[in-house]
Amino acid sequence: RKEVEQDPGPFNVPEGATVAFNCTYSNSASQSFFWYRQDCRKEPKLLMSVYSSGNEDGRFTAQLNRASQYISLLIRDSKLSDSATYLCVVRGDSWGKFQFGAGTQVVVTP
Amino acid sequence: GAGVSQSPRYKVAKRGQDVALRCDPISGHVSLFWYQQALGQGPEFLTYFQNEAQLDKSGLPSDRFFAERPEGSVSTLKIQRTQQEDSAVYLCASSQATGELFFGEGSRLTVL
Repeated sequence: RKEVEQDPGPFNVPEGATVAFNCTYSNSASQSFFWYRQDCRKEPKLLMSVYSSGNEDGRFTAQLNRASQYISLLIRDSKLSDSATYLCVVRGDSWGKFQFGAGTQVVVTP
Repeated sequence: GAGVSQSPRYKVAKRGQDVALRCDPISGHVSLFWYQQALGQGPEFLTYFQNEAQLDKSGLPSDRFFAERPEGSVSTLKIQRTQQEDSAVYLCASSQATGELFFGEGSRLTVL
């Protein structure tokens, strides 16, 4: 079983709609959580960190549920430019070992 | 430099050849990471350095893979006797203490 698991999608979302998806992690000692975005054939880039109390950055909202060991990402008012693969990243008890999920593909359609 | 620089961007190797992939991190970034990304998959952790010290190499798939960062700046990932299953994009990232990883564009390795 992989340490970080994601629904691969694709999530097909009409422009302007809301989409949400989760990521589960297996290591209960995990300390830090992030969402990265990866466009086709490009490198991953940080979208946002995920804090224990949940946090929002514009149209993006991230939540952490330590009891059930999952994090979530919600995108409101989807734009065509939001089409990408969203990678869940978890840092365990080894500081430098950032574990990536396989990614969730989001396709926003006109 | 302004960002993480990797070379070569593309490498085609015959099975059994040795390859060396270079990463030049963002100036001043103490931590450096190597990841392997196969098509349709997320990046898989290979190893990371803090300055010149390799603190975790648990992700290296076999003893054919070797990474070094002798002066705490540029790093090289070496793959000996390449196999077809080594075909992937090799991503290098660097970071300061904040934990945000800044990735290079990757080196795409194809083993024939």
